[in-house]
Amino acid sequence: EIVMTQSPATLSVSPGERATLSCRASQSVSSNLAWYQQKPGQAPRLLIYASSTRATGIPARFSGSGSGTEFTLTISSLQSEDFAVYYCQQYNNWPPWTFGQGTKVEIK
Amino acid sequence: QVQLQESGPGLVKPSQSLSLTCTVSGGSISSSDYYWSWIRQPPGKGLEWIGYIYYSGSTYYNPSLKSRVAISVDTSKNHFSLKLSSVTAADTAVYYCARAPQGGAFDIWGQGTMVTVSS
Repeated sequence: EIVMTQSPATLSVSPGERATLSCRASQSVSSNLAWYQQKPGQAPRLLIYASSTRATGIPARFSGSGSGTEFTLTISSLQSEDFAVYYCQQYNNWPPWTFGQGTKVEIK
Repeated sequence: QVQLQESGPGLVKPSQSLSLTCTVSGGSISSSDYYWSWIRQPPGKGLEWIGYIYYSGSTYYNPSLKSRVAISVDTSKNHFSLKLSSVTAADTAVYYCARAPQGGAFDIWGQGTMVTVSS
């Protein structure tokens, strides 16, 4: 099973600033990596798939990069609605699909 | 557009079985393009994939839960179901159903349903 590790656990950012979230896989997942956003009381929402492709309706301020074992989600200018928990997930070696433990982006 | 909706009891007694159903609307569960999964999230914690079913009925379960999980599909009702046996308090979680295209990410999720295991 591939283990996904996210860092940091919590990221404190001011509105309008840039946020950079990291995700590392225990072995290569190629570019088969997705990012999800989860707000309190809501289901996760797909943001990014194939490491860098935005899902339908996702604003351009969200971007993803990386391949192999190292991945990054960047939010270029944080809006109030972006404060949430973000999860990465690999779908290269499945099943099982595996998720990272999440990064909480909070208001500084 | 395709929507998923979980349903089932919100409270289950320890040692009993948890049963949930996910109804698919706006699309067919019989499509060969997708895998239908259950994912859970204990309060304040991360996401754990439980298992999937394909329209043909083939399944795969997370090894950590394999001995207690069964997922079935009813194509005539356009829904799939989860049964988790011998539950304990550790199975208390929000349970989500979700769709993944072959070789893809979970693109559609249900709203989730909270299940509490307590006597």
